Amino acid sequence: RKEVEQDPGPFNVPEGATVAFNCTYSNSASQSFFWYRQDCRKEPKLLMSVYSSGNEDGRFTAQLNRASQYISLLIRDSKLSDSATYLCVASGYSTLTFGKGTMLLVSP
Amino acid sequence: GAGVSQSPSNKVTEKGKDVELRCDPISGHTALYWYRQSLGQGLEFLIYFQGNSAPDKSGLPSDRFSAERTGGSVSTLTIQRTQQEDSAVYLCASSLEWQDYGYTFGSGTRLTVV
Repeated sequence: RKEVEQDPGPFNVPEGATVAFNCTYSNSASQSFFWYRQDCRKEPKLLMSVYSSGNEDGRFTAQLNRASQYISLLIRDSKLSDSATYLCVASGYSTLTFGKGTMLLVSP
Repeated sequence: GAGVSQSPSNKVTEKGKDVELRCDPISGHTALYWYRQSLGQGLEFLIYFQGNSAPDKSGLPSDRFSAERTGGSVSTLTIQRTQQEDSAVYLCASSLEWQDYGYTFGSGTRLTVV
């Protein structure tokens, strides 16, 4: 079965902390990878794409290791507003496969 | 429209009844997807439409589930003879074209079967 696996958390961190999430994917044919963010009782929203060379968007850095089939997301200087569930996502032939998500709780 | 619109936002139905869920994708988006998310679970792929091609129904959990997309725009997901395990949030997403993975999701329909 093609799956994406993540630690469900929750990760409890204070404001200003750096936190890292990891996930693994089983479909070696996956070509595209993403992190989506889902707030409580809301729909998922695209946070960022993940590239083999690594990519950064402000406080967020994503990395892909194709050999290990491993994806990571690093959040620096956590804000209260970062509290959400982060979904690791890998492409299939025509659709996306979503992990169950990692919950992040940032406290004052 | 500006976003993906789903209706109703909430639906409570009795076990055994049929329900219809509607999705209106972003104008110009040719690809449309249905997922469902049960409590504490990840998003489960149900069905995918691309333009005028035959839909990919590989994710539909049983023959009680069906979907159609009329005129390449609005889609309806129908669940016949609902069961309690059908209770979930049903999410629709659209993207500009096939293998464009920048999905925009609607806010979902929360279905409760009692």
